[in-house]
Amino acid sequence: AQSVSQHNHHVILSEAASLELGCNYSYGGTVNLFWYVQYPGQHLQLLLKYFSGDPLVKGIKGFEAEFIKSKFSFNLRKPSVQWSDTAEYFCALHNDYKLSFGAGTTVTVRA
Amino acid sequence: DGGITQSPKYLFRKEGQNVTLSCEQNLNHDAMYWYRQDPGQGLRLIYYSQIVNDFQKGDIAEGYSVSREKKESFPLTVTSAQKNPTAFYLCASHRGFSGNTIYFGEGSWLTVV
Repeated sequence: AQSVSQHNHHVILSEAASLELGCNYSYGGTVNLFWYVQYPGQHLQLLLKYFSGDPLVKGIKGFEAEFIKSKFSFNLRKPSVQWSDTAEYFCALHNDYKLSFGAGTTVTVRA
Repeated sequence: DGGITQSPKYLFRKEGQNVTLSCEQNLNHDAMYWYRQDPGQGLRLIYYSQIVNDFQKGDIAEGYSVSREKKESFPLTVTSAQKNPTAFYLCASHRGFSGNTIYFGEGSWLTVV
């Protein structure tokens, strides 16, 4: 069975701080990995995705993620956050048959 | 424009009643999914379907039922057996196998009183 774990339930940080959100997955086969963001009152928006190739993936709004196969991880990073990055972030795993999401991490950025 | 349409957007029902949420897509997508979103629990998979006339239970299928009689439609019934049905329900779809763009509906808010 596949699963996605996000380590942090709630992260609070100040503007300009660096952000790293952990995501680990369990699945033995080929995977496609995603990070989605959900701003307050809005719908899911794709931040970035990894299918194959370069394990360092760059997405929108200055986010990037690194796929480390040996660690079954796909952590999301942003060097300097802004107040507008306050949102809920979801990691997702997609194999050939199933699309699973982590429980989400709420990020609060204080001005 | 192609997309996923979920209806109704808001629904109120009395406890003990079954309710069916609609999910229709005109994208010719093979795979369709139903999720439930609760605060602090993310999106939990209820049911999914890869082809017409076939569907699989997700992680929290108890108290729910689905059908996939047509490629474009994947309705979800929340039965009276579902103990905590009040939630936000989200439908998704994609073409073929994984790796293709995933599309999401706008969701349905179900409140059971």
